[in-house]
Amino acid sequence: QSVLTQPPSASGTPGQRVTISCSGSSSNIGSNTVNWYQQLPGTAPTLLIYDNNQRPSGVPDRFSGSKSGTSASLAISGLQSEDEADYYCATWDDSLNGYVFGTGAKVAVL
Amino acid sequence: EVQLVESGGGLVQPGGSLRLSCAVSEFTFSAYFMGWVRQAPGKGPEWVGRIKLKGDSYTTQHAASVKGRFLISRDDSTNSLFLQMNSLKAEDTAVYYCIRENWYRFDAWGQGTLVTVSS
Repeated sequence: QSVLTQPPSASGTPGQRVTISCSGSSSNIGSNTVNWYQQLPGTAPTLLIYDNNQRPSGVPDRFSGSKSGTSASLAISGLQSEDEADYYCATWDDSLNGYVFGTGAKVAVL
Repeated sequence: EVQLVESGGGLVQPGGSLRLSCAVSEFTFSAYFMGWVRQAPGKGPEWVGRIKLKGDSYTTQHAASVKGRFLISRDDSTNSLFLQMNSLKAEDTAVYYCIRENWYRFDAWGQGTLVTVSS
């Protein structure tokens, strides 16, 4: 049972903007930075966003992250077919003294 | 290019043991926290644990679900990470990923190795 809650799915047509929320608590999102991982079908997850809103080199600026209080969100603007994947938020949890992942959201491009 | 390559997965009976290895290259292994993340079939990733640096006395932290059964270790001389798994249960069935931790983010992942616990 994950302590970070995400909607199970999100979808949009090519070119649209899609947002995915991630809800946590004071012991995780409320006190630590949030990372986002993208998992393409059949592959290992990769780091997509770190420290709430930073993009690793090579990640398109269509992807952006934000955080407010005990929630975070990932936005994909200009949706493309190659963005079809599972997306997971993640952060450190001070109460559990461990790293926690969100429940995951599957993005579909219609 | 940073590479992490896991090995050692396979089929094991409940109650059995297995040792996973991860060989890394193209970065200074001894300078990074390292860890393991697993993903059960059809489920999201789950953090297994991490090991810190020599200067931190190689302190380890493990998820509650594996504490007392799994142990992470490392050998900086051979750029290798290990996961010793004992008293395995059916719910430990998953793909196990070796990960590099960089300030609380996992910025490099291996391709994963499948562990199946079944009789």
